[in-house]
Formats: sequence, structure tokens, C-alpha cells
Amino acid sequence: AQSVAQPEDQVNVAEGNPLTVKCTYSVSGNPYLFWYVQYPNRGLQFLLKYITGDNLVKGSYGFEAEFNKSQTSFHLKKPSALVSDSALYFCAFYNFNKFYFGSGTKLNVKP
Amino acid sequence: GAGVSQSPSNKVTEKGKDVELRCDPISGHTALYWYRQRLGQGLEFLIYFQGNSAPDKSGLPSDRFSAERTGESVSTLTIQRTQQEDSAVYLCASSLGLGGETQYFGPGTRLLVL
Repeated sequence: AQSVAQPEDQVNVAEGNPLTVKCTYSVSGNPYLFWYVQYPNRGLQFLLKYITGDNLVKGSYGFEAEFNKSQTSFHLKKPSALVSDSALYFCAFYNFNKFYFGSGTKLNVKP
Repeated sequence: GAGVSQSPSNKVTEKGKDVELRCDPISGHTALYWYRQRLGQGLEFLIYFQGNSAPDKSGLPSDRFSAERTGESVSTLTIQRTQQEDSAVYLCASSLGLGGETQYFGPGTRLLVL
């Protein structure tokens, strides 16, 4: 069965510190991988995606993600967190005409 | 430019009533998706339209749920005989539909079934 897992319901980090939000996937073939962010009372916004090529993908708002094929992971990272990064983050992959979303990780950045 | 719009933004209904939710995708986007997001949970795929092909209805939870799309424009998601467990935010997204293209989401319709 194809699935995407976000093992942490919540991640807490202090402003200015690096952050990582984890994502692993189980799928046949070579999926396209995405990260989306959902701010309170707003729709999901696209952050970044990996299709092929360089394993390190850079996206919006200073975020980046590293594709690791051997570990089937696509962790989201940012070198220095901002309080305004506090939101709900979703990992997703696209395969055979469908998108599969993780359950989401709530990121709390404290001043 | 205009993004994906959904209406109504909020809907309160009584158990057993039918509701209709509307999605206006971005112009030129051939693919359209509906998702359900229950409180504190992730996105649950419901249905997918791609151009004039038959829709992928594999995510619809029961036969009370149906959706239509006219060509490559507006889509409506209908829930018949609503139940309290249908209470959720219903999200619509569209994409160019070329395969793995970025989805653009609407703000959602928050449905509350009393």
C-alpha cells in the first residue's frame, strides 16, 4: 500500500534555531514529492516539490527539503526558524494520478 | 490572478439534509481534486477529475457523496442525507493536470452538520 508518514504530530523549536519536519514514504516507482503549509484559517499553500535531479530542493520562505531515496525520506528543513513559520505542514506525493498526503505536523516556533 | 475559489465558505445544516459545495478552479487547469479534512487530521482524497476522462471516485466514502464537473470548469460536490460525521472542511484543488503538477488549493468550505 502506498502511504506517506509524518512521525511527529508536533515540532517545537526556538526562533533562530534550525528546524526539521520529517516525512517518509512508501510507494512503488518514482513519485513526485511535495511540501505544503497551512496557516490558521487559510488554505494550503505550496512550498516546494521534488521531481528529479538535485536531491536538495529549495522552496518558498527559505525552506528546503532533501530527498533521500535509500531512506525513502523527504524531510523539510530551514536553517533559522521564524515565529511566523508556525503552521501546519503536510508532506505529499503524487503517483499514478493521485496525491497522497501525510497527517500533518504542527510546527511551533517560540520567540 | 484569480486563485481557486470555493463557496460557501461556511455551511451549517441539519442532519439528513442535502448540501452542495462549489469549486471554481484556476482557468486553464484541467485537473480538479476534492479532499476532506476533519478537525486536527490530514487530507482525505475524495475524487479527481482530469479533462473529459471519467473521474476517479475511489475516495468517496459512501454513495451519499457525489461530484460533477462541467468540462474543465466549475465542480460541485453533493452530500445527500448529511450525517454528523460529515462535518469537516472540504477542500478543492486544481492543477494543470500534466502529471504531478503543483496543486493550488481553495480556502475550503467548513461544513457543520447538527
